[in-house]
Amino acid sequence: GAVVSQHPSWVICKSGTSVKIECRSLDFQATTMFWYRQFPKQSLMLMATSNEGSKATYEQGVEKDKFLINHASLTLSTLTVTSAHPEDSSFYICSARGQGGYSNQPQHFGDGTRLSIL
Amino acid sequence: DAKTTQPNSMESNEEEPVHLPCNHSTISGTDYIHWYRQLPSQGPEYVIHGLTSNVNNRMASLAIAEDRKSSTLILHRATLRDAAVYYCILGASNTGKLIFGQGTTLQVKP
Repeated sequence: GAVVSQHPSWVICKSGTSVKIECRSLDFQATTMFWYRQFPKQSLMLMATSNEGSKATYEQGVEKDKFLINHASLTLSTLTVTSAHPEDSSFYICSARGQGGYSNQPQHFGDGTRLSIL
Repeated sequence: DAKTTQPNSMESNEEEPVHLPCNHSTISGTDYIHWYRQLPSQGPEYVIHGLTSNVNNRMASLAIAEDRKSSTLILHRATLRDAAVYYCILGASNTGKLIFGQGTTLQVKP
């Protein structure tokens, strides 16, 4: 149980294009989803918290107009990297937390999306 | 957000127990202690979490100090598949956010 699917797993695109990444909770309802970014040999960096039906909360230093997050249903959140440039190339990972309390619930992670901007 | 301190790397022999330490001296009374691990090119995998009492599951055991300022993840019999980066994280009691540190890279030798 508690499976999170991320799509696509790998994407290569030209500079200036927008890329959408999907994060789905397959067997549970996720009221809250999180988006992370990870550069090579570094730890995960939290980008934003997404709650179903409301605007995402972005961490300090993350441009909300560049990284658009939509969480329109209890099983789907999307991250769109707008006008992507080579410096946006990274490993993007989502996680989902089910309904209920906060810190007493584990997060379930997708397998990540490797984004390469040429 | 309360921080954790872990050794950068540890080594273990296959089939032997592994004790991964974590210090979290600024933990608040309602913060849960979470452990995740990450294999290369994959998302993190939940391992175990707890509040005050020691916890056991099929993957590992979590031993929490009485003052909660430190904890230890115990892998009872390390296998080659346990080689990963292990993250000890305090779950923020008000937001549930997980702020990842650098973690411990565990190498398991055959």
